[in-house]
Amino acid sequence: TQLLEQSPQFLSIQEGENLTVYCNSSSVFSSLQWYRQEPGEGPVLLVTVVTGGEVKKLKRLTFQFGDARKDSSLHITAAQPGDTGLYLCAGNTGNQFYFGTGTSLTVIP
Amino acid sequence: DSGVTQTPKHLITATGQRVTLRCSPRSGDLSVYWYQQSLDQGLQFLIQYYNGEERAKGNILERFSAQQFPDLHSELNLSSLELGDSALYFCASSVYGAPSIEQFFGPGTRLTVL
Repeated sequence: TQLLEQSPQFLSIQEGENLTVYCNSSSVFSSLQWYRQEPGEGPVLLVTVVTGGEVKKLKRLTFQFGDARKDSSLHITAAQPGDTGLYLCAGNTGNQFYFGTGTSLTVIP
Repeated sequence: DSGVTQTPKHLITATGQRVTLRCSPRSGDLSVYWYQQSLDQGLQFLIQYYNGEERAKGNILERFSAQQFPDLHSELNLSSLELGDSALYFCASSVYGAPSIEQFFGPGTRLTVL
């Protein structure tokens, strides 16, 4: 059983389209992060959200933390081939760290 | 480049053997985390050390052990290896010792058990 469920698991879209990735849990998290991982490399931190309802923008990426701090979303506007990768959400509760199941995004030129 | 280094990059060994994976954290980081990533299990947290002391434990098998040395580098020891231990093993580091996942990941060690 995964504490953090991501959807969709796989996503293939055309360059220029918009997309949203979801990260859901029944647990409350102190903070939540989004990472991007490229094949054969380690995850790279994109953003941290800590306050319920918080919205952060990173160029074409918009991250939102749910009001109850149990879920998060990542929205990409006008996707580009360089956005291709595995997107992972991650949260900590107590002394444990959990990564989501991952969303594999492919942006087709 | 995250500043976290891991060696070796690839490791091929046989069932029943023992291996040691090494990690050097970013300069100034006191915490080291170990993760296992496989296709069917995703990224699983194994263990965290902070300034030489074990801080948090995740899904680490009894056949696995880790330690952090005075110079802050860390080693993950995997023994009595099984086919199912084949995976990518990542080390990450952060400044903080308190529960935090603002971590910086190394490039990983790909372990293949034959």
